[in-house]
Amino acid sequence: GDSVTQMEGPVTLSEEAFLTINCTYTATGYPSLFWYVQYPGEGLQLLLKATKADDKGSNKGFEATYRKETTSFHLEKGSVQVSDSAVYFCALFSGGYNKLIFGAGTRLAVHP
Amino acid sequence: GAGVSQSPSNKVTEKGKDVELRCDPISGHTALYWYRQRLGQGLEFLIYFQGNSAPDKSGLPSDRFSAERTGESVSTLTIQRTQQEDSAVYLCASSLGTGLGVEQYFGPGTRLTVT
Repeated sequence: GDSVTQMEGPVTLSEEAFLTINCTYTATGYPSLFWYVQYPGEGLQLLLKATKADDKGSNKGFEATYRKETTSFHLEKGSVQVSDSAVYFCALFSGGYNKLIFGAGTRLAVHP
Repeated sequence: GAGVSQSPSNKVTEKGKDVELRCDPISGHTALYWYRQRLGQGLEFLIYFQGNSAPDKSGLPSDRFSAERTGESVSTLTIQRTQQEDSAVYLCASSLGTGLGVEQYFGPGTRLTVT
């Protein structure tokens, strides 16, 4: 079945460092891809999405490109801030299943 | 406008008791989902409602779990004879229809602890 694999955390960075969180997927057909973020004490929020190959989703300085050839959707940010500390979830939506399939989540801690 | 709301926010129950969790979706959202998030893990799909269609129950882990939704409004998730492995955060999400690229909006969750 469809699945999402993302790098294990925690990821610990200093402020202004470059961030990459790897995400790869297995899916039949052409899913939509998402990154959700869960800030401490808050609910899950959509961060960005891409619906077809080579699309780039972006929001709040974060970017991810839908790479069909490598089945990847890595999350990047050029300069992280302390306020980016959260748990990040990669997910896919497969129309055949009508549900989001999530990775295990990656905790990011950014220190001043 | 109002987002997805869930109640209670926390529930502690004894093993063997039944619990009922409630979700109020965003008004007008035809699709409603329940997910479970165990400690340190990603979200697991439980059940999906879309309008008046038969729900997709393929993610329910056992027959102790059931859910109902009346039309396009409130949904309740019921867990009978709770077990310790049921301890998790139960998340509800709703969306305006379904399909590729459609955003799901999540509620704050109900943290269930079975003692």
